[in-house]
Amino acid sequence: DIQMTQSPSSVSASVGDRVTITCRASQGISSWLVWYQQKPGKAPNLLIYAASTLQNGVPSRFSGSGSGTDFTLTISSLQPEDFATYYCQQANTFPLTFGGGTKVEIK
Amino acid sequence: EVQLVESGGGLVQPGRSLRLSCAASGFTFSSYGMHWVRQAPGKGLEWVSYIDGTSGSIYYADSVKGRFTISRDNAKNSLFLQMSSLRAEDTAVYYCARDTPLTGNHFDYWGQGTLVTVSS
Repeated sequence: DIQMTQSPSSVSASVGDRVTITCRASQGISSWLVWYQQKPGKAPNLLIYAASTLQNGVPSRFSGSGSGTDFTLTISSLQPEDFATYYCQQANTFPLTFGGGTKVEIK
Repeated sequence: EVQLVESGGGLVQPGRSLRLSCAASGFTFSSYGMHWVRQAPGKGLEWVSYIDGTSGSIYYADSVKGRFTISRDNAKNSLFLQMSSLRAEDTAVYYCARDTPLTGNHFDYWGQGTLVTVSS
């Protein structure tokens, strides 16, 4: 199975900050990497697929990059509604696997 | 509007069985693969199972293989997860999710989830 490792597990930031979350795959997955946002008590929401393609309706302050084993999610200017937990997921091979999550908290 | 509504969760004793359902609407159900994803209380996301539109391809996580069975009824726009030999570690919110039509193997729409608690 492909292991997905996210870092950091949590980050404290202020509104307007730039936030970067990293995700590493235990083996190469080309660009088959997806990012989700999850708020407490809610289902996850798709943000980015194919490592860098923004899902329809997702604000442009979100961006993704990377290929192979190393990927990043960047929020260019953190907004109040962005405080949430973010998960990466590899879409290369079954079983599909997620990173452990990164909680973005208010500083 | 795409809607996915799970049902069937509840409290069940270890070793017993439970069947989850997911009612789909707002899209051509038979044209999409579907997944079950779960989340234990306070924990991260875990993919559980996948079934394609024709039930021709099915996959399971190792943690549920041999105990859980995914199925679908395209005539009734419904997805199912039959869970047997339940364990405490199966306690989680179970989400049904639609596979994306573009690149596949990820989830563009999710239900609200149904909580399964395995406890004596």
